Amino acid sequence: ETGVTQSPTHLIKTRGQQVTLRCSSQSGHNTVSWYQQALGQGPQFIFQYYREEENGRGNFPPRFSGLQFPNYSSELNVNALELDDSALYLCASSRDTDRVNSPLHFGNGTRLTVT
Amino acid sequence: AQTVTQSQPEMSVQEAETVTLSCTYDTSESDYYLFWYKQPPSRQMILVIRQEAYKQQNATENRFSVNFQKAAKSFSLKISDSQLGDAAMYFCAYRSAYNNNDMRFGAGTRLTVKP
Repeated sequence: ETGVTQSPTHLIKTRGQQVTLRCSSQSGHNTVSWYQQALGQGPQFIFQYYREEENGRGNFPPRFSGLQFPNYSSELNVNALELDDSALYLCASSRDTDRVNSPLHFGNGTRLTVT
Repeated sequence: AQTVTQSQPEMSVQEAETVTLSCTYDTSESDYYLFWYKQPPSRQMILVIRQEAYKQQNATENRFSVNFQKAAKSFSLKISDSQLGDAAMYFCAYRSAYNNNDMRFGAGTRLTVKP
């Protein structure tokens, strides 16, 4: 069973630039959630995708957007990067057959640094 | 809104001893799920244990067990026979049974295991 994989592992961008982060969900999972984890804090929910549609969003501005593809992989796009966007971005996948109780399976994250 | 509080930023334990990590949460909902995740330096969040709020029996997974006090909104994690590999950040998390899109995490507790 293939786990959740994220790319790249590290990324350095300049303020104002745009970035795309990628995630491949675990085999058999069709729901993908993205989280932002600032240094020294717990993860914060950005949004979730289920069957290629956004299925819930946290308190993040519209410059955070996403996509989910037919193979259930996903992208997180951030436009007009700000210094405060520097964080670890975590992708997590889960099954839809028992979504309420389905635990999240996380990738190793992408460390984004904005200078 | 649901919030999760971990009041212990850091804890340490001697190898083979027992340690308890605290977590409290605030919710007006009656049905929800609680989780403990471990985040080692590899950054991947790993599920340690989960508890359904409707179950009175405390969950156990090998050396890991919880003390779930629903009325007090408390969900502590006990690690018995601590091992060096248990050293990590531990996050308590809450997920609503009614809106399962996002999982709310606490700020984490850094556990150090001394040989």
